[in-house]
Amino acid sequence: KAGVTQTPRYLIKTRGQQVTLSCSPISGHRSVSWYQQTPGQGLQFLFEYFSETQRNKGNFPGRFSGRQFSNSRSEMNVSTLELGDSALYLCASSHETGVRETQYFGPGTRLLVL
Amino acid sequence: AQSVTQLGSHVSVSEGALVLLRCNYSSSVPPYLFWYVQYPNQGLQLLLKYTTGATLVKGINGFEAEFKKSETSFHLTKPSAHMSDAAEYFCAVIVNYGGSQGNLIFGKGTKLSVKP
Repeated sequence: KAGVTQTPRYLIKTRGQQVTLSCSPISGHRSVSWYQQTPGQGLQFLFEYFSETQRNKGNFPGRFSGRQFSNSRSEMNVSTLELGDSALYLCASSHETGVRETQYFGPGTRLLVL
Repeated sequence: AQSVTQLGSHVSVSEGALVLLRCNYSSSVPPYLFWYVQYPNQGLQLLLKYTTGATLVKGINGFEAEFKKSETSFHLTKPSAHMSDAAEYFCAVIVNYGGSQGNLIFGKGTKLSVKP
């Protein structure tokens, strides 16, 4: 079974631009979560989607948004990019939502904002 | 609020030596605990997890961890380090908010170096 895939793997943008990242979960998984990883703040939860609905949201500004499609694929969008948005963005999928579920991570998208 | 503290941002051991990576959590309700490993330029891979039941949990690659409620700890160990164990290790906790929601809260990570 294929793992979680994320596209693109690397991205360079400039301040003020917007970016969309994509995540395809493991087949049959319906929950997708997004995390931001930076050297200073570590791994921080962004949001979780399940059955096309946002179920949980971390403490990030409204510039960060996401959505999930009927096939469980998810996209994350960051508008008006700032230098501090440079990070590795990780997507994780799980079969169902909830604390009992194990999250499986993709390789990440590394975003550099210049 | 829940939190995870990993003692030691860098740990260095010799090949064949014991690996001990420390993790303490803070939670007002019973937590679920995880250890993930991250190799350079890769995502996170689950090593092991504790939900309920047996407090000694065995994972992949010879790693194990013991949940100690009295010490609020979930330390990761491996009897004999291998060069391929060099990576960054993250402890994480997830808390049951009524069974329907919850997100992983990660520690800052511990980079493990293995000397030949």
